[in-house]
Amino acid sequence: GAVVSQHPSWVICKSGTSVKIECRSLDFQATTMFWYRQFPKQSLMLMATSNEGSKATYEQGVEKDKFLINHASLTLSTLTVTSAHPEDSSFYICSARGREEDREDYEQYFGPGTRLTVT
Amino acid sequence: AQKVTQAQTEISVVEKEDVTLDCVYETRDTTYYLFWYKQPPSGELVFLIRRNSFDEQNEISGRYSWNFQKSTSSFNFTITASQVVDSAVYFCALSEARNTGNQFYFGTGTSLTVIP
Repeated sequence: GAVVSQHPSWVICKSGTSVKIECRSLDFQATTMFWYRQFPKQSLMLMATSNEGSKATYEQGVEKDKFLINHASLTLSTLTVTSAHPEDSSFYICSARGREEDREDYEQYFGPGTRLTVT
Repeated sequence: AQKVTQAQTEISVVEKEDVTLDCVYETRDTTYYLFWYKQPPSGELVFLIRRNSFDEQNEISGRYSWNFQKSTSSFNFTITASQVVDSAVYFCALSEARNTGNQFYFGTGTSLTVIP
C-alpha cells in the first residue's frame, strides 16, 4: 500500500520559535495533502487542504499566517508553525491522496503524525 | 452539525468480552465511504475497514465485524473476545464523494480499555 511519512516524529521547541513539519508520499504522487491537528483526548480536526502548486485552503478558525503550508512538489508538503506558543502543542497528522487517474475516490493515506510540544 | 457521532466516549471491558462501538453518520450524498481507524497510544492511525454506501453487506475479519445499516445511518464495529492489545482509541470517519476535496470527517472517538 501507499506510504506517507512525517518528519520529525516529535519535536520540542521554545515559545516564539518556528518549527517545520514535513509530510512525504514515498511511493506515489500526492496531488492533494491534508493537515490535521489532534489535541489530547480529542478527535482529528482538519486544518487545511493543499493541492500541489497552489495555495492551501484553510478551515475556518485556522490562522493561515501562523500555519504556513507549502506543497511545492507532488511528494512533499510542509507545515510551518510560526511563532509557536504552548497552546500550539498538539499532534499533527498529514494525509495524502494520489492523482485522480491513479486512485479510487476514497483513497487517502495517513502519516504517522508529529507530536509538537512548545515550552 | 456533527457528521459523525460516536456517542461512547470511553468503554471498559474485561478481556474476552465482546464489545460494540457505535457510529452514526449524517450525509445527503448517495455515494460516500465509511471508515474505522484504530489509534494506539503511539498515535499512528491504523486503517481497519472501508465501506462504500452501495455495499451494505456486513463484514467479518477475524475477531472484528462491522454492521452497516443505511436505514439507521449506522456503521457499528464489534470486537469479539476482546484482548488487551485491542485497547486504543477507535475513530469512525466519513468521506463524501461529492466533496471534491474528499476530506475525512472524523467522529470524536471511543477510547476502549480492555482489562486483563
